[in-house]
Parts: sequence; C-alpha cells; structure tokens
Amino acid sequence: QSALTQPASVSGSPGQSITISCTGTSSDVGSYNLVSWYQQLPGKAPKLMIYQVTKRPSGVSNRFSGSKSGNTASLTISGLQAEDEADYYCCSYTSSSTLVFGGGTKLTVL
Amino acid sequence: EVQLVESGGGLVQPGGSLRLSCVASGFTFSGNWMSWVRQAPGKGLEWVASIKPDGSEKYYVDSVKARFTISRDNAKNSVFLQINSLRAEDTAIYYCAWGGSQQLTSWGQGTLVTVSS
Repeated sequence: QSALTQPASVSGSPGQSITISCTGTSSDVGSYNLVSWYQQLPGKAPKLMIYQVTKRPSGVSNRFSGSKSGNTASLTISGLQAEDEADYYCCSYTSSSTLVFGGGTKLTVL
Repeated sequence: EVQLVESGGGLVQPGGSLRLSCVASGFTFSGNWMSWVRQAPGKGLEWVASIKPDGSEKYYVDSVKARFTISRDNAKNSVFLQINSLRAEDTAIYYCAWGGSQQLTSWGQGTLVTVSS
C-alpha cells in the first residue's frame, strides 16, 4: 500500500494552466478508472473535484479536468485563479479493494 | 444538503481506546459505502477504512488492521471507528466520508485524536 507519487509543489500565475501528476502502479492507477482528486483549503476538509478519472461533480468549475495514461493520472487547472491555491490530493482504488492517496501537491498562485 | 458530523475525538494516553462516531444526513445512507480517512498534523491524507452498505465487507489500511474496527448502524445513519492500542502515530484529524471504492463524495469536518501521555 505505497502512496501514489505527486510533486510536492507546483505554481503558476493567474490565467495560466498547471498540471499535477499522480503516478501509481499497475495495481492501482493503471488497472482502474477509479482515480479521484481532492482540493483541501487551509484548515478545511477535502472536497471532491474529479472522480472516475475525468468526471466533475456538480458545482465544480469546468476549469478543472482530469486524465490518465498508463500508471499516471493528471489534474489540469486552466485559467488559474487565486482561489485555486490549495493542497491537491489524488486517490486510487487498488487491487486489494483498498484506497490509496498521493502525498499531496501544494499549488501556489503567484 | 449532505451533512457528515463526526464526534468522539480527544486526548488519550498511548495504549488507550476511543470510539469515533459519524452521523450522516442528506443522502440514502443505507445504500452507500462509508469510509474513514485521517490526516496527521501537517501531513497528507491517509485512507483508513471502508465499509460496504450492509456492513458485510470491511477493508483497512495495513497499519491499523487488528487495532481499528469500522462498523455502521443503518437505522441510525451512523458509522463508527473503534480505535484500540493507540500509538503516537495515530494522532490525526479523522474524517468520515461518504463513499468507498469509487470516490469520497462528501466529507465531514473531522474529529481530532491526540495520543499523548
């Protein structure tokens, strides 16, 4: 049950696009289209932003999008805004019927 | 509106026990997986356990197996986490979440567990 690998930090200027990667293995990300992404603002509970790799819950901005290739999933945020500054976590279902999170990525809007 | 309200956290000595509770509303509780996720101070999220809608299947992260037990009472729209033999490394905010294998759709605000002598 090793954590998925995410970059510790990414940054971008308002209006730009950024992508956060999430690398797993053939036992999790690579085998299931069950990758989700969560946004956590300081001092708050996490919020679901993307599920089943590409789907957006109702109310989440279409500036957020997800994709997957092989054992790596990605979250892209376009038209970066100051309010997007937060920690982002990926999560995948695994072959052991468990869930595993990434280590988290801190997004800084410059 | 979906609401998840956790309770039961607190300060406990190493080796002690706690029972965390989560009351859910705003969705069909009895038809959905439920999970617990924790976050140590200044650290990332760690999935802890999930339970099937009817309680017949339960899954745990390796580090808590044999010490933690997830359960539910569908009549009371509640999910529980019994945590025994507590260690310093169990200190964390414990979040209750709606969901299981597919995604964690909604989260509570969390309850803090502090293990210290």
